[in-house]
Amino acid sequence: GQQLNQSPQSMFIQEGEDVSMNCTSSSIFNTWLWYKQDPGEGPVLLIALYKAGELTSNGRLTAQFGITRKDSFLNISASIPSDVGIYFCAGEETSGSRLTFGEGTQLTVNP
Amino acid sequence: KAGVTQTPRYLIKTRGQQVTLSCSPISGHRSVSWYQQTPGQGLQFLFEYFSETQRNKGNFPGRFSGRQFSNSRSEMNVSTLELGDSALYLCASREWAHSGNTIYFGEGSWLTVV
Repeated sequence: GQQLNQSPQSMFIQEGEDVSMNCTSSSIFNTWLWYKQDPGEGPVLLIALYKAGELTSNGRLTAQFGITRKDSFLNISASIPSDVGIYFCAGEETSGSRLTFGEGTQLTVNP
Repeated sequence: KAGVTQTPRYLIKTRGQQVTLSCSPISGHRSVSWYQQTPGQGLQFLFEYFSETQRNKGNFPGRFSGRQFSNSRSEMNVSTLELGDSALYLCASREWAHSGNTIYFGEGSWLTVV
């Protein structure tokens, strides 16, 4: 089955620092989605990527769809305390197929 | 417009019982999928419905079932509950677009089996 490896598993940073996390897949994806999940809540969509090489920003967040279509990264610039949470990548192999999720990156931001 | 709505938000059931969870997708979205989230297994796909038809199914036992109604609302049912079924059950609504699909999640239903 598909393998989606997300790293790092956890990060502890100071407020104001930049953050980078990435996901790699054993197979080619058609779509990459990045979500943030707060405790007790459902995942909230941050960025959607649909084309290889695509670079998309959403405020302080920037994500890229890897050229090989097997990887994606998410950057957060100038982190703030409310960035705390678990970040998930998810990939869709073909249009309309199920999402495969990474294991998540737990982000802690120290004020 | 309103997001994905799931009910109930929290529930506690006893082993052997059955449970039904409900989901209303974003208005205009006709595709609904369900995921189970546990600390050990992460987010696992259960099934997806489109226009009242199941179009995709994950690797879960037959105790897990679902259906979709003509108004796109969906329900999932788990029969003969086991302790390991304790999890956050997430419903997602799919927006189809030429450029690509986007999937939005509800807040989830927390199920505790005791």
